[in-house]
Amino acid sequence: QVQLVESGGDLVRPGGSLRLSCAASGFSFSDYYMSWIRQAPGKGLEWLSYISTDGNIIYYAESVKGRFTISRDNSKNALFLQMSTLRAEDTAVYYCARVITTSVWTGLGYWGQGTLVTVSS
Amino acid sequence: QLALTQSPSASASLGASVKLTCTLSSGRSSFAITWHQQRPQMGPRFLMKLNYDGSHTNGDGIPDRFSGSSSGAERYLTISSLQSEDEADYYCQTWGTGFGVFGGGTKLTVL
Repeated sequence: QVQLVESGGDLVRPGGSLRLSCAASGFSFSDYYMSWIRQAPGKGLEWLSYISTDGNIIYYAESVKGRFTISRDNSKNALFLQMSTLRAEDTAVYYCARVITTSVWTGLGYWGQGTLVTVSS
Repeated sequence: QLALTQSPSASASLGASVKLTCTLSSGRSSFAITWHQQRPQMGPRFLMKLNYDGSHTNGDGIPDRFSGSSSGAERYLTISSLQSEDEADYYCQTWGTGFGVFGGGTKLTVL
């Protein structure tokens, strides 16, 4: 079955950096667009970024553009989110997600369990 | 930019039905959406993809109690035979080239 397992969440100081990982299994990872979403404490879901199957198409939400970088390693079935210049408002649970259908950016169909990032001094 | 609007809260009795609404911003009535459930202290779970014409495809293991429908810019999620475990936050989501967007979520209380 489809599994997405995030890791790398931690407590980090404002201005710091962190790299999140998402290990995928149970499906042909290289066939699907992938995405990162976050949820601040007590708030709703916020879409952050998506990446195409081959990594050549990438988009970001304005809130993280220029600070966050999405990438993937299809040989390792892994998705990444490099976060830099972190701010207190980046504190959230970060989820990776897979789209429903192969080869296109479309609705999200599977979610990981999330990893918590706390930005605080 | 496209926006999705959801009522912040809804409630219904155990065993009854409830219909949640997600409204697409002006001029976007042809967009499909997905519905997601998030139980307390858990990650989201995909419920269904809902097309502009009301056709929908439920996710793996999602019972037929969860159904979708559409009318113009409105997208609906109907949950019938409400159970206690349906008490959760429900989010709609849509997408386009270069973006993804979520509604603000509806907190469903099962009385």
